[in-house]
Amino acid sequence: GEDVEQSLFLSVREGDSSVINCTYTDSSSTYLYWYKQEPGAGLQLLTYIFSNMDMKQDQRLTVLLNKKDKHLSLRIADTQTGDSAIYFCAEKEDSSYKLIFGSGTRLLVRP
Amino acid sequence: NAGVTQTPKFQVLKTGQSMTLQCAQDMNHEYMSWYRQDPGMGLRLIHYSVGAGITDQGEVPNGYNVSRSTTEDFPLRLLSAAPSQTSVYFCASSSLIRDRGPLYEQYFGPGTRLTVT
Repeated sequence: GEDVEQSLFLSVREGDSSVINCTYTDSSSTYLYWYKQEPGAGLQLLTYIFSNMDMKQDQRLTVLLNKKDKHLSLRIADTQTGDSAIYFCAEKEDSSYKLIFGSGTRLLVRP
Repeated sequence: NAGVTQTPKFQVLKTGQSMTLQCAQDMNHEYMSWYRQDPGMGLRLIHYSVGAGITDQGEVPNGYNVSRSTTEDFPLRLLSAAPSQTSVYFCASSSLIRDRGPLYEQYFGPGTRLTVT
């Protein structure tokens, strides 16, 4: 079945870049998403990428997709303390309405 | 436009009690879903619905019932609460119509934190 994996924790210094990685198993995934969850809140969509793209840039965010290795990454440039949150990778397979979420990566930004 | 609302925010139940978690959306979304979030396990899909009168099971449906009598509401019922159902529950909705924006962007409610003792 589908599976999405992420590392559980990342700590970076304020001003550095953060890279959060994700691997997925379903080769028929058409959309891949990054969601952000701040403490005590629900998830909010940060960005997404279609499966026919390799890269997407949106201000400080860069998403890279390697379809051959089924690897997705989210790079946050100039990481700020307000970026501290849990980041979830999710995939949507072509034949389903459902999203499959990874376990989330907790990003801690140190001053 | 309130988006997705959930009530209550917090709930403590005793083992064996039943209750209903409420979820409503005002975006006319066809798709609604319930997830539970447990530490280190991400979000797991409990039940989902693609329209009024249509529901289906997700990854972890046991112990939960849902119904979808209107487009707006999607309540989740715990039939006989167990400590294993202690979790944070999120409701989410999305449009299934392509020209409404990023396809299948899910909008999440703020969550209900449930403790079963």
